[in-house]
Amino acid sequence: DVKVTQSSRYLVKRTGEKVFLECVQDMDHENMFWYRQDPGLGLRLIYFSYDVKMKEKGDIPEGYSVSREKKERFSLILESASTNQTSMYLCASSTPLVAGTDTQYFGPGTRLTVL
Amino acid sequence: GQSLEQPSEVTAVEGAIVQINCTYQTSGFYGLSWYQQHDGGAPTFLSYNALDGLEETGRFSSFLSRSDSYGYLLLQELQMKDSASYFCAVRAYNTDKLIFGTGTRLQVFP
Repeated sequence: DVKVTQSSRYLVKRTGEKVFLECVQDMDHENMFWYRQDPGLGLRLIYFSYDVKMKEKGDIPEGYSVSREKKERFSLILESASTNQTSMYLCASSTPLVAGTDTQYFGPGTRLTVL
Repeated sequence: GQSLEQPSEVTAVEGAIVQINCTYQTSGFYGLSWYQQHDGGAPTFLSYNALDGLEETGRFSSFLSRSDSYGYLLLQELQMKDSASYFCAVRAYNTDKLIFGTGTRLQVFP
């Protein structure tokens, strides 16, 4: 079974702090993604990576950066946390599209509260 | 741009059948996926329609009509454990990222 793990389930930080969210997958997937999920807004893509050291902006990259130094690990960084970044953060991984299937595997999520 | 619209909430009783619709405005995509998410949990993959028509997996079926820009998830013999949020998603051509709908919260009552 594919396993995607995230470093914390719950995190509380103060405004202005630098925050690191870590994600690790164990299935050698090329693609990794960071989403945030807010009530009524669904899943919004922040950044994704299709290879080591490669990254692309998603729909809402402002205020975030990412790092992918190893294939299995994808980190989301909030350089200076703000209260509007309070949210559920979900990491996912996938292989490039294969005919007949298109599956992303999600981690359990990190609920971040910025005070 | 690309957008997928779903009803925000659907309610039904145990044993019933419910259909969750997904209408989209997007140019060219590989296929339509559905994900289930229980409260406090992670989204999990349910089904994928690469071609038009109906795909059946046990109590769940998914349908796609590209000509109508429309798809749906059909849940039969509803159980309490089916209470969850359901998201449709598409992957546009030449990308590996998914565009998700806003999600439909399904509540199943006894």
